[in-house]
Amino acid sequence: DQQVKQNSPSLSVQEGRISILNCDYTNSMFDYFLWYKKYPAEGPTFLISISSIKDKNEDGRFTVFLNKSAKHLSLHIVPSQPGDSAVYFCAATPTSYGKLTFGQGTILTVHP
Amino acid sequence: DSGVTQTPKHLITATGQRVTLRCSPRSGDLSVYWYQQSLDQGLQFLIQYYNGEERAKGNILERFSAQQFPDLHSELNLSSLELGDSALYFCASSATLPGTGELFFGEGSRLTVL
Repeated sequence: DQQVKQNSPSLSVQEGRISILNCDYTNSMFDYFLWYKKYPAEGPTFLISISSIKDKNEDGRFTVFLNKSAKHLSLHIVPSQPGDSAVYFCAATPTSYGKLTFGQGTILTVHP
Repeated sequence: DSGVTQTPKHLITATGQRVTLRCSPRSGDLSVYWYQQSLDQGLQFLIQYYNGEERAKGNILERFSAQQFPDLHSELNLSSLELGDSALYFCASSATLPGTGELFFGEGSRLTVL
């Protein structure tokens, strides 16, 4: 039972354009949603999060949108840079602390 | 640098063997989590410890066990190893107070079973 799903295994965009990574979830108990970035040979690093009381959270070039009724969230990166090339994981948790349930990840490649 | 330290970084062993992976959480963090990432898979939650006590359990095999010691470091023991146990094993820690749900991950231990 995959409670968090990232249906796109990979995404390729041009430098300067927008990258949109998508994530769907099935567990209505999830209250916090996070995005992590992972480079090869490194551990995942936290990027941005959003709680269920919000529908948008912005941090510089990164914006996360949450649509609770659709159980869908997305990460927008504008403008995309080659250094953004990494695996992006969506994660969710029912509380603000505790274990995270991760999606399968999306490989983002930003071409110069 | 997340502040979470994992050793060893790489480990190669044979089927049927037993290995121990070690994790030191960030200073002050009481919770430790173990995750497994197999090829082309997401991060699968294995187990969580909080201040020495098991707090939550995921899809952890009976051949695997973990513990958290009084100094808060944690060990993940993998026994009777099979080829399918080859994976990246991540440890993470978190702050004790409610926050944004963020976990801080170590760089992982890559286990190869031959």
